[in-house]
Amino acid sequence: GAVVSQHPSWVICKSGTSVKIECRSLDFQATTMFWYRQFPKQSLMLMATSNEGSKATYEQGVEKDKFLINHASLTLSTLTVTSAHPEDSSFYICSASPAGGIDTQYFGPGTRLTVL
Amino acid sequence: AQSVSQHNHHVILSEAASLELGCNYSYGGTVNLFWYVQYPGQHLQLLLKYFSGDPLVKGIKGFEAEFIKSKFSFNLRKPSVQWSDTAEYFCASGGDTGRRALTFGSGTRLQVQP
Repeated sequence: GAVVSQHPSWVICKSGTSVKIECRSLDFQATTMFWYRQFPKQSLMLMATSNEGSKATYEQGVEKDKFLINHASLTLSTLTVTSAHPEDSSFYICSASPAGGIDTQYFGPGTRLTVL
Repeated sequence: AQSVSQHNHHVILSEAASLELGCNYSYGGTVNLFWYVQYPGQHLQLLLKYFSGDPLVKGIKGFEAEFIKSKFSFNLRKPSVQWSDTAEYFCASGGDTGRRALTFGSGTRLQVQP
């Protein structure tokens, strides 16, 4: 089946630093990748939609300058949390949608970010 | 905009009991519906999905869901749960004006006691 990986699986950083999270589709090409955020005991909230080779589309309320998304290839998207603060601590999950796969998304295992 | 409601936040059942988790969606147009499961410490896995056709959808691990358009519902069912079904269950919808991102419900935590 389709596999999506994320790296790192967890990261702890100091306030003010930047953190990069990678999302890879291992056995398929993903024209579209999505980034979600999940707070403890809550649901997933879509942050942005990333299309290969174009700018990401951010959801309302998500700061594009703070959460930089790059989708440079059909198998890799990155999310960089810039100048992280404790309120950015969360579980970040990516999903990837294969080319032509209508509404089929495969989810990565998530990255737990803790900002001290 | 779409919204998805899951009314059961925490369900506790004994093994062999029947399960039904409620899910209601708000969008009145063409909508695709999904149920995902998240086992402790693991990533989201697709249980089943509905795009069109037979409103009774069968998924993996003995789960099924019924799409009732008149009630805007897509409830998840399993006739006999097992301890290994302990997990978080999320209902989701997609298809809003061509977008492929998913709108998730708040999730239901299922705890199955042996």
